[in-house]
Amino acid sequence: DTGVSQDPRHKITKRGQNVTFRCDPISEHNRLYWYRQTLGQGPEFLTYFQNEAQLEKSRLLSDRFSAERPKGSFSTLEIQRTEQGDSAMYLCASSLDGVHEQYFGPGTRLTVT
Amino acid sequence: QKEVEQNSGPLSVPEGAIASLNCTYSDRGSQSFFWYRQYSGKSPELIMFIYSNGDKEDGRFTAQLNKASQYVSLLIRDSQPSDSATYLCAVKPGNQFYFGTGTSLTVIP
Repeated sequence: DTGVSQDPRHKITKRGQNVTFRCDPISEHNRLYWYRQTLGQGPEFLTYFQNEAQLEKSRLLSDRFSAERPKGSFSTLEIQRTEQGDSAMYLCASSLDGVHEQYFGPGTRLTVT
Repeated sequence: QKEVEQNSGPLSVPEGAIASLNCTYSDRGSQSFFWYRQYSGKSPELIMFIYSNGDKEDGRFTAQLNKASQYVSLLIRDSQPSDSATYLCAVKPGNQFYFGTGTSLTVIP
């Protein structure tokens, strides 16, 4: 499978716990995006990497959220002290520099109880 | 203000008809425009992208862009029940992608 992969696909956690999600982009893609999507809404931009550099981060993103892409390949998104409002689908997408199209992974569905 | 507006629908068309989906955007600096299809519980799937004013055709799909009116549309010809999904419009003024809330399409057999 040469597409974007995400792990885990589903995560149920209790409020206050920390969670970490992983995204593996398409191998030659140097751009990586994280989005959050809730029911009835479009994907909401969270952050963007070009290679290992985090170039943009949504101003709406709480400081409980952090993302890394240490070697310019896979990326992790961590949410600390989860809240019920964090329940959503977290989507990762990748694209190639100079090419505008981006391709999504299957997503990680987070449920905070 | 980078906003993308779509009619949330639902839009229902009979099988074989043309489905017309519309999107407006507020950022005149937007250069790239995308249509994604999203089935329930799945992630968005890229259908088409368009950069220049006018029409772009790909099989049964035609994207139309009018930058002066800040309007982009998607036509689906010969609609099939398998086209039933939510269609997301996205614009890319810089490095970020901004999505609309999507239009739900149902194709009735």
